[in-house]
Amino acid sequence: QVQLQQSGPGLVKPSQTLSLTCAISGDSVSSDSATYDWVRQSPSRGLEWLGRTYYRSKWYNDYAESVKSRITINPDTSKNQVSLQLISVTPEDTAVYYCTKGYKWAFDIWGQGTMVTVSS
Amino acid sequence: DIVMTQSPLSLPVTSGEPASISCRSSQSLLHSNGNNHLDWYLQKPGKSPQLLIYLGSNRASGVPDRFSGSGSGTDFTLKISRVEAEDVGVYYCMQGLQTPFTFGPGTKVYIK
Repeated sequence: QVQLQQSGPGLVKPSQTLSLTCAISGDSVSSDSATYDWVRQSPSRGLEWLGRTYYRSKWYNDYAESVKSRITINPDTSKNQVSLQLISVTPEDTAVYYCTKGYKWAFDIWGQGTMVTVSS
Repeated sequence: DIVMTQSPLSLPVTSGEPASISCRSSQSLLHSNGNNHLDWYLQKPGKSPQLLIYLGSNRASGVPDRFSGSGSGTDFTLKISRVEAEDVGVYYCMQGLQTPFTFGPGTKVYIK
């Protein structure tokens, strides 16, 4: 049974960096059939896909244009986890952030969610 | 980006009765492989979204058979044959055809 356990701070100051980690159990971050994605949810923007990392003989990343200049999603094979970094945050980045596992073009496993507030 | 719309946005239901949600995409979700890249998710109150239906009509593991998905191209439907109390929450459709993957605004289902 695949599980995703998220961790990271719930409060980030404006202009600073949001950093979250997603620990994977029951599967490998290097799986050649899965992707590991980040999705956020806010009242104003609804569910918003941010980006993904996946391994197909080499590592790939895709990012949403809306955050492409600020986002990095990295796999950590030694810890079997995925990280999200979003730099230069503003209050508009306040949201619940979810780590998800993509399989067969759907998100079949979700993390528990992390509420991140951007405020001084 | 592909825009997803849903109707209705709010759906009062009676336990034991059927329910139906519509989802429409701004462009066809039919892939050259013959699959429609449309998924349905349910977000129960206070929980993370959970996958119900993938590739238009395939029930995810553990999903009761009262849930069914249909449609092709740009028009899709999620049907619940007999609503149960545990089915309340917000239902989202999502297109998985191309990045950025995009979600509909959600349909809130509640018991009358």
